[in-house]
Amino acid sequence: DAKTTQPPSMDCAEGRAANLPCNHSTISGNEYVYWYRQIHSQGPQYIIHGLKNNETNEMASLIITEDRKSSTLILPHATLRDTAVYYCIVRVAATSGTYKYIFGTGTRLKVLA
Amino acid sequence: NAGVTQTPKFRVLKTGQSMTLLCAQDMNHEYMYWYRQDPGMGLRLIHYSVGEGTTAKGEVPDGYNVSRLKKQNFLLGLESAAPSQTSVYFCASSYRDYNTDTQYFGPGTRLTVL
Repeated sequence: DAKTTQPPSMDCAEGRAANLPCNHSTISGNEYVYWYRQIHSQGPQYIIHGLKNNETNEMASLIITEDRKSSTLILPHATLRDTAVYYCIVRVAATSGTYKYIFGTGTRLKVLA
Repeated sequence: NAGVTQTPKFRVLKTGQSMTLLCAQDMNHEYMYWYRQDPGMGLRLIHYSVGEGTTAKGEVPDGYNVSRLKKQNFLLGLESAAPSQTSVYFCASSYRDYNTDTQYFGPGTRLTVL
């Protein structure tokens, strides 16, 4: 299974962009990259996902390198409420025609006032 | 819509006891999943289901059983609880869609086995 590597923690000043890197060097061509975050001990919350192209939504942007071996999640204007653990996940094929998420240990982002 | 709900929120068991965790979703999702999360770690898949009446094993299935008798419910059972099963359990559900099978997670059940 493809796995991800993330820095264990990062700090970001409030109002600045938070750039969270992820390495997924063993990813296969049809495996998506997903990003979720977990605030305190709540259930993970979906942020964004992509396959090859860069993606943007109302929460964040996802930049995927051309070789797909790494990606960066960008929170353009971090707020204190963005303090959370951010998981970079590779979605791999499972049996029964579905897919499964492979979670890493995540990056604990702390947004500083 | 309530989304994904889990019952109970907290539970303490003694070694050898049994219990069932209930997950319910009101989004008409085909797929449902059970994960566990240990301190400082990411989530690990226990079992999943691609539809009513079907289940499959994930990464860490030993010691757990599941059932999906109704599309909206997915039950996780522990027949004989062990201290190693102390964890936070999350349920998730998703549509059957190759491009956007985003998983929606419940709030979790915190289980302690003494």
